[in-house]
Amino acid sequence: NAGVMQNPRHLVRRRGQEARLRCSPMKGHSHVYWYRQLPEEGLKFMVYLQKENIIDESGMPKERFSAEFPKEGPSILRIQQVVRGDSAAYFCASSPLRGNDQPQHFGDGTRLSIL
Amino acid sequence: KNQVEQSPQSLIILEGKNCTLQCNYTVSPFSNLRWYKQDTGRGPVSLTIMTFSENTKSNGRYTATLDADTKQSSLHITASQLSDSASYICVVTPNTGFQKLVFGTGTRLLVSP
Repeated sequence: NAGVMQNPRHLVRRRGQEARLRCSPMKGHSHVYWYRQLPEEGLKFMVYLQKENIIDESGMPKERFSAEFPKEGPSILRIQQVVRGDSAAYFCASSPLRGNDQPQHFGDGTRLSIL
Repeated sequence: KNQVEQSPQSLIILEGKNCTLQCNYTVSPFSNLRWYKQDTGRGPVSLTIMTFSENTKSNGRYTATLDADTKQSSLHITASQLSDSASYICVVTPNTGFQKLVFGTGTRLLVSP
């Protein structure tokens, strides 16, 4: 019974390149959340997706960032034209249902480094 | 100012000792309060989750308390073990209809032999 799987675990990009981060939720979970953790800071909500739909993207920067959760396959967080400030750990979490009291299970994150 | 403040920022205790971590929050209205443990290089793992009507919740050697009137929570760890060395994060779920979690910056606990 695999948990939330994120890959790659580490990603290095040069400024201006694109970064694609993947998240496979736990089996049976159709709700996915992405968070960003800057050094020495707490996790910050970015976006909430349900299969094929973006429910809330209020925490995502308006430019260069996008997320999707297709009917088949993992959820993807895409960062275009990366800058040094994008260096962070990106965590994905999933839950089985939408409600406030549902547990969120986290992956081990993707550590993105921008050269 | 963070909506979820934790103290202390870091703590060192001897193996076998108890400790208490504090969390103050301003998120309102809120649905529930959670404590997570995050090992270095890993994702957060849930320890407890309490609704606003609950005062205490235990999970093995971890006991969380909640005072919704003063907007304070604590996490008490009993008989600490070396494997308890980690960051402990207080997380509040606002009453928004879905889980838009608000995280504290965590307390870094080091259990020394």
